[in-house]
Amino acid sequence: SQQGEEDPQALSIQEGENATMNCSYKTSINNLQWYRQNSGRGLVHLILIRSNEREKHSGRLRVTLDTSKKSSSLLITASRAADTASYFCATVNGYGQNFVFGPGTRLSVLP
Amino acid sequence: DTGVSQDPRHKITKRGQNVTFRCDPISEHNRLYWYRQTLGQGPEFLTYFQNEAQLEKSRLLSDRFSAERPKGSFSTLEIQRTEQGDSAMYLCASSRTLGEGGSYEQYFGPGTRLTVT
Repeated sequence: SQQGEEDPQALSIQEGENATMNCSYKTSINNLQWYRQNSGRGLVHLILIRSNEREKHSGRLRVTLDTSKKSSSLLITASRAADTASYFCATVNGYGQNFVFGPGTRLSVLP
Repeated sequence: DTGVSQDPRHKITKRGQNVTFRCDPISEHNRLYWYRQTLGQGPEFLTYFQNEAQLEKSRLLSDRFSAERPKGSFSTLEIQRTEQGDSAMYLCASSRTLGEGGSYEQYFGPGTRLTVT
């Protein structure tokens, strides 16, 4: 079964608003990564957070990790129409070999 | 090198035929992964190589699937006796390795879309 589960499954917001997506997982991890996928394309890495980190920022992205709750969140601030895509979290196990992706959150940013 | 490449981008085949896909990773990356993705789902792990060694294979992967990575460079994924349920996007990704066994981010190719008729 998949390790990561994103929530919500779909999210529709207006341009300029913030978008928050959550990811829950079940077992211990080495790190957790967020990826974006535009329709019909490959995945693009957004940000990586290690198990000993609690928060990371990259441009308009903010990721938090709570290992006690086995959950992570991705915040996209001041969203743009170009942010419309599917967003996936991937958990990486303690040995760093196995990436397990969740089913994703489909984000629509309306102009 | 500009990224991970996959060939072909699209493949249409008849049920029962064999197909082979190729992936060329970023040259300095020693880890290579194959995933399958169906519509509306996340990538599903198939198998993983570190250099030329195939270190892990999904238990969901039937014996009709085989992957190789000769000389630790490009990789091929072969599906024998294709079935309609094999229709999906097949993604390849590569990454470097942290010294302590952790992983850097994965770089994905554009995928090969397989349609089995």
